[in-house]
Amino acid sequence: EAGVAQSPRYKIIEKRQSVAFWCNPISGHATLYWYQQILGQGPKLLIQFQNNGVVDDSQLPKDRFSAERLKGVDSTLKIQPAKLEDSAVYLCASSRLQGANTGELFFGEGSRLTVL
Amino acid sequence: EDQVTQSPEALRLQEGESSSLNCSYTVSGLRGLFWYRQDPGKGPEFLFTLYSAGEEKEKERLKATLTKKESFLHITAPKPEDSATYLCAVQAGGSNYKLTFGKGTLLTVNP
Repeated sequence: EAGVAQSPRYKIIEKRQSVAFWCNPISGHATLYWYQQILGQGPKLLIQFQNNGVVDDSQLPKDRFSAERLKGVDSTLKIQPAKLEDSAVYLCASSRLQGANTGELFFGEGSRLTVL
Repeated sequence: EDQVTQSPEALRLQEGESSSLNCSYTVSGLRGLFWYRQDPGKGPEFLFTLYSAGEEKEKERLKATLTKKESFLHITAPKPEDSATYLCAVQAGGSNYKLTFGKGTLLTVNP
């Protein structure tokens, strides 16, 4: 079974520029998550999708961050304009519908963003 | 607001030296507590789910336990390949299955 795919793995941009990250979850997984992990911190949920719909985006800075999940499969996370404090690893995860209750999330390797 | 505090922040052990990691939590109606392992440059990898006080789960040299206020991850006779960051997360009732993570404990096992 293929894992969660993310790209790009690394991105360096200057502040006020824009960036987009892509995620392809495990086939058949209904739930998709984007987490932000700042160095030395635990992952923080930005947004959670159930199929096409948003379940939780309470911690997404909506003035600069946006995310969509196309046809209930792939997802993109965009930051525009980026700030220095957005430097972090952006982790995508997916789970089966039942897995959401067991806490068994499958994470990708992450996209490391550096904002200069 | 759900809170998860892990201690110690870092732990260095000699191979074969057993120890425990702590995860204390404050949550409104715990639905589940989860342990993940994260290797450098990788995403977290699921280890265990615990649902109720008194529950225990084991996997190789790891054993997770749960009380009403905290969880412990016991590591018996660790090996260098057990070196990683161990993350604890909680899920509150009515939370849309959202996981709140702690900062993690960085474990280093020296040969």
